[in-house]
Amino acid sequence: NAGVMQNPRHLVRRRGQEARLRCSPMKGHSHVYWYRQLPEEGLKFMVYLQKENIIDESGMPKERFSAEFPKEGPSILRIQQVVRGDSAAYFCASSPAGYYEQYFGPGTRLTVT
Amino acid sequence: GNSVTQMEGPVTLSEEAFLTINCTYTATGYPSLFWYVQYPGEGLQLLLKATKADDKGSNKGFEATYRKETTSFHLEKGSVQVSDSAVYFCALKISNFGNEKLTFGTGTRLTIIP
Repeated sequence: NAGVMQNPRHLVRRRGQEARLRCSPMKGHSHVYWYRQLPEEGLKFMVYLQKENIIDESGMPKERFSAEFPKEGPSILRIQQVVRGDSAAYFCASSPAGYYEQYFGPGTRLTVT
Repeated sequence: GNSVTQMEGPVTLSEEAFLTINCTYTATGYPSLFWYVQYPGEGLQLLLKATKADDKGSNKGFEATYRKETTSFHLEKGSVQVSDSAVYFCALKISNFGNEKLTFGTGTRLTIIP
């Protein structure tokens, strides 16, 4: 039973480019969460999605960031016009329903040069 | 708002020493409390949890007790091993409809030397 999959594991972008991070939840999980970990800091919640719905985006920056979880396929976190301050590890978690334990993926480490 | 304050690291101990990592929280409502562990280059793994006051979570020799009166959830282990070297995160969650986010502390890096 595969765990939460994230790809790519490492992503390098130049300032101004777009970054797309993918998250495939565990089998049977329809709830996805994105968190960001800045260097030497804890994880900060960004967004909570169900299939085709954004449930809570209270942690998302107002500009340049968007997330989706389509009916088919992985969840995508999209960062437009990346800046150096976006360099971080982005973790995805999934759960079978909102109340249940969140299982984390290995993360995508984004470096903006 | 909700917040978690964790003992700052790094913490370095000798093998077989006793470990305590302090965690206190502030929450509106009745949170569930968690300890997660992150090994180098990996994602977070749930280590243990407690969902109500006086509950004790335990796993792999680690324990933590949900203390409502002191708003604390300190992590303890009686005899640490080199393989316990990792970063440990304390976290809370208050489940309301549509609100399932985990609030994390800043993490404590633990290094165990042989």
